[in-house]
Amino acid sequence: AQRVTQPEKLLSVFKGAPVELKCNYSYSGSPELFWYVQYSRQRLQLLLRHISRESIKGFTADLNKGETSFHLKKPFAQEEDSAMYYCALSGWGNDMRFGAGTRLTVKP
Amino acid sequence: ETGVTQSPTHLIKTRGQQVTLRCSSQSGHNTVSWYQQALGQGPQFIFQYYREEENGRGNFPPRFSGLQFPNYSSELNVNALELDDSALYLCASSLGSGAGSSNEKLFFGSGTQLSVL
Repeated sequence: AQRVTQPEKLLSVFKGAPVELKCNYSYSGSPELFWYVQYSRQRLQLLLRHISRESIKGFTADLNKGETSFHLKKPFAQEEDSAMYYCALSGWGNDMRFGAGTRLTVKP
Repeated sequence: ETGVTQSPTHLIKTRGQQVTLRCSSQSGHNTVSWYQQALGQGPQFIFQYYREEENGRGNFPPRFSGLQFPNYSSELNVNALELDDSALYLCASSLGSGAGSSNEKLFFGSGTQLSVL
């Protein structure tokens, strides 16, 4: 079964501190993994996907198949990074499975 | 701006009623997916339509049904509403290929907040 777990509902860091949002998944095949973000009063939007191996707004995420994880990291958090972050997995069957989300607050 | 619009933004219904939610996909996107997001949870996949055919379905009962039209619009219909159907309903469009797995970027609408009393 496909499952995405984000163990932290809330995460708070100070500006300039490193941040890591955890995501673990369960899937028997080769998943496609994503991070979606929702800023205040905005719609849900794609932040990054693992196949692109990209860095967006300073965020990176590495797929670790051994640990079945896809943690989102940024070395120096900014106040504008405060948002709701969702890890998502796309497997077979056309459905995108989302985690419950982590609310990140970056304090000044 | 993603170009995906949903209507209405808010809706109040009573138990047992039927509801139709509407979505206009981004131009050129032939795939639309619908999600239910309960308070404090992530979006849950309801179903996907590709070129007007259902192309995948999540764990939702048959009283959740949909339609997709050639003009990139779509509908989500829910019959016999239950209190637990109260949630934010999100529509997302993508270019899509109709294939099994997908790494397509989803473009979300702002959602319809449905309250069932």
